[in-house]
Amino acid sequence: KAGVTQTPRYLIKTRGQQVTLSCSPISGHRSVSWYQQTPGQGLQFLFEYFSETQRNKGNFPGRFSGRQFSNSRSEMNVSTLELGDSALYLCASSLDPSPRETQYFGPGTRLLVL
Amino acid sequence: DQQVKQNSPSLSVQEGRISILNCDYTNSMFDYFLWYKKYPAEGPTFLISISSIKDKNEDGRFTVFLNKSAKHLSLHIVPSQPGDSAVYFCAASSSGNTGKLIFGQGTTLQVKP
Repeated sequence: KAGVTQTPRYLIKTRGQQVTLSCSPISGHRSVSWYQQTPGQGLQFLFEYFSETQRNKGNFPGRFSGRQFSNSRSEMNVSTLELGDSALYLCASSLDPSPRETQYFGPGTRLLVL
Repeated sequence: DQQVKQNSPSLSVQEGRISILNCDYTNSMFDYFLWYKKYPAEGPTFLISISSIKDKNEDGRFTVFLNKSAKHLSLHIVPSQPGDSAVYFCAASSSGNTGKLIFGQGTTLQVKP
Protein backbone atom coordinates (compact mmCIF):
# COMPACT_ATOMS: atom_id res chain seq x y z
CA LYS A 1 0.00 0.00 0.00
CA ALA A 2 1.41 3.39 -0.95
CA GLY A 3 2.27 5.77 1.85
CA VAL A 4 1.31 9.38 2.32
CA THR A 5 2.45 11.50 -0.61
CA GLN A 6 3.03 15.24 -0.57
CA THR A 7 3.63 17.60 -3.45
CA PRO A 8 5.67 19.53 -4.16
CA ARG A 9 8.65 18.36 -2.13
CA TYR A 10 10.45 21.70 -2.30
CA LEU A 11 9.20 25.20 -2.89
CA ILE A 12 10.75 28.66 -2.94
CA LYS A 13 8.50 31.69 -2.63
CA THR A 14 8.92 35.37 -1.84
CA ARG A 15 7.30 37.36 0.93
CA GLY A 16 3.71 38.32 0.22
CA GLN A 17 3.04 35.45 -2.15
CA GLN A 18 0.69 32.59 -1.41
CA VAL A 19 1.32 28.87 -1.62
CA THR A 20 -0.75 25.69 -1.85
CA LEU A 21 0.56 22.33 -0.68
CA SER A 22 -1.05 19.00 -1.46
CA CYS A 23 -1.35 15.76 0.47
CA SER A 24 -2.68 12.37 -0.61
CA PRO A 25 -3.38 10.08 2.34
CA ILE A 26 -2.86 6.34 2.54
CA SER A 27 -5.65 4.55 0.70
CA GLY A 28 -8.58 4.07 3.06
CA HIS A 29 -7.46 6.75 5.49
CA ARG A 30 -10.03 9.48 5.90
CA SER A 31 -8.38 11.78 8.44
CA VAL A 32 -5.61 14.17 7.47
CA SER A 33 -3.60 16.35 9.85
CA TRP A 34 -1.05 19.00 9.00
CA TYR A 35 2.01 19.99 11.01
CA GLN A 36 4.71 22.63 10.70
CA GLN A 37 8.26 21.80 11.70
CA THR A 38 10.78 24.55 12.40
CA PRO A 39 14.11 24.41 14.24
CA GLY A 40 12.87 26.77 16.94
CA GLN A 41 9.33 25.50 17.54
CA GLY A 42 9.60 21.83 16.65
CA LEU A 43 6.58 20.01 15.26
CA GLN A 44 3.40 21.99 15.72
CA PHE A 45 -0.14 21.00 14.84
CA LEU A 46 -1.86 23.15 12.21
CA PHE A 47 -5.25 21.53 11.61
CA GLU A 48 -7.06 18.27 11.05
CA TYR A 49 -9.69 17.29 8.50
CA PHE A 50 -12.15 14.44 8.40
CA SER A 51 -15.04 13.98 5.98
CA GLU A 52 -14.18 17.28 4.31
CA THR A 53 -14.64 19.14 7.60
CA GLN A 54 -12.01 20.86 9.70
CA ARG A 55 -12.42 19.29 13.11
CA ASN A 56 -9.48 20.74 14.98
CA LYS A 57 -7.18 23.70 14.59
CA GLY A 58 -3.88 24.72 16.17
CA ASN A 59 -2.68 28.17 17.17
CA PHE A 60 -1.80 29.58 13.78
CA PRO A 61 -3.00 32.81 12.17
CA GLY A 62 -5.83 32.84 9.68
CA ARG A 63 -3.31 33.05 6.82
CA PHE A 64 -3.05 29.29 7.21
CA SER A 65 -6.03 27.44 5.83
CA GLY A 66 -6.84 24.08 4.39
CA ARG A 67 -9.48 21.88 2.90
CA GLN A 68 -10.22 18.27 2.24
CA PHE A 69 -11.83 16.75 -0.80
CA SER A 70 -14.30 13.91 -1.08
CA ASN A 71 -11.48 11.48 -1.92
CA SER A 72 -9.76 12.48 1.38
CA ARG A 73 -6.95 14.33 -0.38
CA SER A 74 -6.12 17.56 1.38
CA GLU A 75 -4.56 20.89 0.55
CA MET A 76 -3.22 23.60 2.79
CA ASN A 77 -2.81 27.19 1.76
CA VAL A 78 -0.68 29.94 3.23
CA SER A 79 -1.44 33.46 2.08
CA THR A 80 0.73 36.56 2.39
CA LEU A 81 3.84 34.56 3.12
CA GLU A 82 6.25 35.78 5.77
CA LEU A 83 9.90 34.86 6.26
CA GLY A 84 8.94 32.95 9.40
CA ASP A 85 6.76 30.60 7.37
CA SER A 86 9.88 28.89 6.07
CA ALA A 87 9.52 25.38 7.42
CA LEU A 88 8.94 21.73 6.66
CA TYR A 89 5.20 21.13 6.29
CA LEU A 90 4.16 17.61 7.13
CA CYS A 91 0.93 15.86 6.39
CA ALA A 92 -0.21 12.79 8.32
CA SER A 93 -3.10 10.45 7.67
CA SER A 94 -5.01 8.02 9.84
CA LEU A 95 -8.06 5.82 9.41
CA ASP A 96 -10.19 8.20 11.41
CA PRO A 97 -9.62 11.09 13.82
CA SER A 98 -9.71 8.96 16.95
CA PRO A 99 -6.74 9.92 19.14
CA ARG A 100 -5.81 6.23 19.35
CA GLU A 101 -5.47 5.88 15.60
CA THR A 102 -1.83 6.07 14.59
CA GLN A 103 -0.92 8.92 12.29
CA TYR A 104 1.39 8.11 9.39
CA PHE A 105 3.44 10.93 7.96
CA GLY A 106 4.42 11.90 4.46
CA PRO A 107 7.91 13.10 3.49
CA GLY A 108 6.95 16.74 3.84
CA THR A 109 7.16 19.87 1.71
CA ARG A 110 10.14 22.10 2.40
CA LEU A 111 9.06 25.73 1.96
CA LEU A 112 11.60 28.52 1.79
CA VAL A 113 10.33 32.10 1.87
CA LEU A 114 12.77 34.74 0.64
CA ASP B 1 3.96 26.03 27.60
CA GLN B 2 5.62 22.84 26.47
CA GLN B 3 3.32 19.97 27.39
CA VAL B 4 5.67 17.25 26.13
CA LYS B 5 9.36 17.51 26.94
CA GLN B 6 12.38 15.57 25.86
CA ASN B 7 15.09 16.99 28.05
CA SER B 8 18.02 15.27 26.38
CA PRO B 9 18.76 16.80 22.97
CA SER B 10 21.21 14.03 22.14
CA LEU B 11 22.30 10.57 23.17
CA SER B 12 25.25 8.47 22.04
CA VAL B 13 25.48 4.70 22.63
CA GLN B 14 27.62 1.85 21.43
CA GLU B 15 26.24 -0.67 18.97
CA GLY B 16 24.70 -3.64 20.77
CA ARG B 17 24.00 -1.71 23.96
CA ILE B 18 20.67 -0.39 25.20
CA SER B 19 19.41 3.06 24.19
CA ILE B 20 16.99 4.72 26.59
CA LEU B 21 15.14 7.81 25.43
CA ASN B 22 13.04 9.73 27.90
CA CYS B 23 9.97 11.91 27.67
CA ASP B 24 7.98 13.84 30.28
CA TYR B 25 4.52 15.35 29.96
CA THR B 26 2.48 17.76 32.00
CA ASN B 27 -1.08 17.34 30.72
CA SER B 28 -2.90 14.64 32.69
CA MET B 29 -5.52 14.48 29.91
CA PHE B 30 -3.07 12.75 27.58
CA ASP B 31 -4.10 9.14 27.19
CA TYR B 32 -2.18 7.89 24.18
CA PHE B 33 1.52 8.17 23.52
CA LEU B 34 3.63 7.46 20.47
CA TRP B 35 7.26 7.38 19.44
CA TYR B 36 8.40 8.39 15.98
CA LYS B 37 11.80 8.19 14.35
CA LYS B 38 12.89 10.81 11.84
CA TYR B 39 15.73 10.90 9.35
CA PRO B 40 16.77 14.19 7.72
CA ALA B 41 14.60 15.24 4.78
CA GLU B 42 11.99 12.59 5.59
CA GLY B 43 8.75 12.60 7.51
CA PRO B 44 8.53 10.95 10.95
CA THR B 45 8.14 7.16 10.90
CA PHE B 46 5.88 5.57 13.49
CA LEU B 47 7.70 3.21 15.85
CA ILE B 48 5.52 2.20 18.76
CA SER B 49 2.63 3.47 20.86
CA ILE B 50 1.10 2.92 24.27
CA SER B 51 -2.28 3.58 25.75
CA SER B 52 -2.59 5.07 29.21
CA ILE B 53 -4.26 1.89 30.44
CA LYS B 54 -0.99 0.01 29.97
CA ASP B 55 2.43 0.50 31.48
CA LYS B 56 4.47 -1.37 28.89
CA ASN B 57 4.30 -2.19 25.22
CA GLU B 58 6.88 -4.19 23.31
CA ASP B 59 7.56 -4.58 19.60
CA GLY B 60 10.71 -6.39 18.65
CA ARG B 61 13.73 -4.39 19.79
CA PHE B 62 11.54 -1.50 20.92
CA THR B 63 9.79 -1.26 24.29
CA VAL B 64 7.91 1.72 25.63
CA PHE B 65 7.31 2.15 29.36
CA LEU B 66 4.70 4.49 30.80
CA ASN B 67 4.71 5.77 34.38
CA LYS B 68 1.49 7.72 34.75
CA SER B 69 2.10 8.85 38.30
CA ALA B 70 5.40 10.42 37.24
CA LYS B 71 4.00 11.55 33.88
CA HIS B 72 7.01 9.94 32.25
CA LEU B 73 7.57 7.57 29.39
CA SER B 74 10.67 6.00 27.97
CA LEU B 75 11.67 4.14 24.83
CA HIS B 76 14.16 1.31 25.15
CA ILE B 77 15.99 0.01 22.09
CA VAL B 78 17.78 -3.28 22.62
CA PRO B 79 20.16 -4.01 21.02
CA SER B 80 20.95 -0.68 19.42
CA GLN B 81 22.09 -0.73 15.79
CA PRO B 82 23.84 1.95 13.70
CA GLY B 83 20.69 2.19 11.55
CA ASP B 84 18.81 3.40 14.61
CA SER B 85 20.74 6.68 14.45
CA ALA B 86 18.04 9.31 13.91
CA VAL B 87 15.97 11.91 15.75
CA TYR B 88 13.34 10.38 18.03
CA PHE B 89 10.17 12.25 18.90
CA CYS B 90 7.68 11.36 21.54
CA ALA B 91 4.12 12.54 20.99
CA ALA B 92 0.91 12.55 22.99
CA SER B 93 -2.78 12.86 22.27
CA SER B 94 -5.96 13.14 24.31
CA SER B 95 -9.48 11.93 23.71
CA GLY B 96 -10.86 15.43 23.60
CA ASN B 97 -8.52 16.62 20.85
CA THR B 98 -9.07 14.78 17.61
CA GLY B 99 -6.26 14.42 15.14
CA LYS B 100 -3.83 16.46 17.20
CA LEU B 101 -0.49 15.17 18.36
CA ILE B 102 1.66 17.20 20.74
CA PHE B 103 5.33 16.53 20.07
CA GLY B 104 8.44 16.80 22.18
CA GLN B 105 11.47 18.60 20.79
CA GLY B 106 13.22 15.38 19.84
CA THR B 107 16.34 13.50 20.90
CA THR B 108 19.12 12.78 18.41
CA LEU B 109 20.38 9.25 18.89
CA GLN B 110 23.77 8.25 17.58
CA VAL B 111 24.67 4.58 17.65
CA LYS B 112 28.39 4.05 17.17
CA PRO B 113 29.65 0.88 15.46
